[in-house]
Formats: sequence, C-alpha cells, structure tokens
Amino acid sequence: GAVVSQHPSRVICKSGTSVKIECRSLDFQATTMFWYRQFPKKSLMLMATSNEGSKATYEQGVEKDKFLINHASLTLSTLTVTSAHPEDSSFYICSAHGREGSDTQYFGPGTRLTVL
Amino acid sequence: GEDVEQSLFLSVREGDSSVINCTYTDSSSTYLYWYKQEPGAGLQLLTYIFSNMDMKQDQRLTVLLNKKDKHLSLRIADTQTGDSAIYFCAEKSGANNLFFGTGTRLTVIP
Repeated sequence: GAVVSQHPSRVICKSGTSVKIECRSLDFQATTMFWYRQFPKKSLMLMATSNEGSKATYEQGVEKDKFLINHASLTLSTLTVTSAHPEDSSFYICSAHGREGSDTQYFGPGTRLTVL
Repeated sequence: GEDVEQSLFLSVREGDSSVINCTYTDSSSTYLYWYKQEPGAGLQLLTYIFSNMDMKQDQRLTVLLNKKDKHLSLRIADTQTGDSAIYFCAEKSGANNLFFGTGTRLTVIP
C-alpha cells in the first residue's frame, strides 16, 4: 500500500535552534499534505494544510512564522520549527492525500521533537 | 512501515449499528486507537484499547480486539447522522510510532 515516511523519527535540540522535519510520499504523488501535532494524552491537532506549489493554509492559533511549511514537490513537504522552545516539544505527524479530491489519507509514523 | 487496513466506505441507516473493521500486521502493538475526523477538522481520539484486552465499551462505542487475527473493530450502537465522518484506526508500535489506516467513511442515511 501507499507509504508515507517521516524523517527524523525523533530529534532532540537546544532551545533557540531550528529543526526541519520531512514528510515524503514514497510511492504516490501527494497534492495535499497535512501536518498534525499531538499533545500528551490528547488527540491530534491539525496545524496546517500543505498544497504543492502554493502557500500552506494554517489553522487558527498556529504561528506560520514559527512553523514554516514548504511543499516543493509532489512527494515532499517539510515542516521547520524555527527558534524552538521547550513548549514546542511534541509528536508531529504528517499525512498525505493522493489525487485531488481523494478522501484517503496516508499517515507518516510521526516525529518526536524534544527541545531542551 | 506497518500495514493497517480498513475498508473505505460504510453506509448504514439511522438507528442501526455500525461496525467498522481494521486489520493490522504488527503483533507487538501495545495500544490500538480509533479516531474520528469530521469535515474540515483534525482527528479526534474516540477511544483506545490496550493490546491485552479483548473488549472495551464506552457508551455507544464498543471496541473488539482479536489479537490472534490482528483484527480490531469499532461498533457504534444506534448510529446517528452526527456520526457521519471518517474513522481511522491506528496502532502504536514501538516507543514513538503511530501507524494509521486509510480511514473508513461512514455515511448515515436518515
């Protein structure tokens, strides 16, 4: 079946540094990718919708200057957490839609970010 | 990655029970989850079950786990139109990884 990968699977960084997380669709082209954040013991929160070749659409309350999203190709979207702080520590998951209009989403395995 | 499979669509009449099925491949899964996604919204955790349990009931929701067959199901009793959504099962494998199915679109017919 379709596979979405994320890299890295876990990252530890110092406060103030920037971290880039990659989301790749391995065997299909994803016109739309989603970025989620999961807080401890809570469900996933949609952060933004990433469309190939255009600017990402951010959900209310998500700082677009802090969480930079780039969807430069049909198989790769990146999330960069800029000037990370301990409160940004979380589990970040991406998902990808296949062709436009498809309901099927394929999820990446997630990236655990720990900011010291 | 691990394979988590679901059927894509399910239609039921209002008032009937819905059963959404999921199969997975990782026998070392520790937790299995059911999420609901309404249009335009993020995933909402509905319920979860530890891998050493066979069943969990929470109001209208019943989760059944057959660990031998690696089969998970979600039963919604007295299905309502507000239950129309996409339902995702997910398994936790290892310390950090969550593997999701592709989602089942439940349509409730009035």
